[in-house]
Amino acid sequence: EVQLVQSGAEVKKAGEPLRISCKASGYTFTSYWIAWVRQMPGKGLEWMGIIYPGDTETRYSLSFEGQVAISVDTSTTTAYLQWNSLQSSDSGMYYCARVSLYWGDLDRLDTWGQGTNVDVSS
Amino acid sequence: QSLVTQPASVSATPGQRVTIPCSGSSSNIGIHFVCWYQQFPGTAPKLLIYRNDQRSSGVPDRFSGSKSGTSASLAISGLRSEDEADYHCAVWDDSVRGWVFGGGTKVTVL
Repeated sequence: EVQLVQSGAEVKKAGEPLRISCKASGYTFTSYWIAWVRQMPGKGLEWMGIIYPGDTETRYSLSFEGQVAISVDTSTTTAYLQWNSLQSSDSGMYYCARVSLYWGDLDRLDTWGQGTNVDVSS
Repeated sequence: QSLVTQPASVSATPGQRVTIPCSGSSSNIGIHFVCWYQQFPGTAPKLLIYRNDQRSSGVPDRFSGSKSGTSASLAISGLRSEDEADYHCAVWDDSVRGWVFGGGTKVTVL
């Protein structure tokens, strides 16, 4: 069974660093892109970026480029989302999701993690 | 301003058919496949429809997707109380080189 299991909820202060994780299992980790998606309280979904564990190619949404860093550890089949210095506006729920391809094109987010809630106080 | 838009809410009585529109442009829906995700309160989204009209594994055939030009829609026929959820459309957009989501539509079963 394909599964993405995310790390637990975080409560941080503005200015602190943070790294949250997404542990993949049940498939060949290096063959599928992983996406990160933000959902702020009561709002819609926002695509943040994607990474291909096979070669660590990473693409960021223009809205998030320079604000976060996406990485992977293929030895532990884990993807990461990292902030160097959190802001209160980073509070929200963060999901990782596996990306399936169709004829080589990014097609759909077929499996989602359960989400990691990040609460940043100023 | 969102590149893809959906109504904030729709409602209907059990057994009725409800349709959720998703409006985009020539840089997204006009040239790329649309997906739909279902999200219950406090849970992660789940893939419902992909490539405009393909149901994900285990999704009842009461759910159907379609696309025409720069708009797409999700239809739920024979509405049930357990269909109460938020529904998000998503599509790749060439102008921002990334996925864009509609704001989500809350379906209420009256």
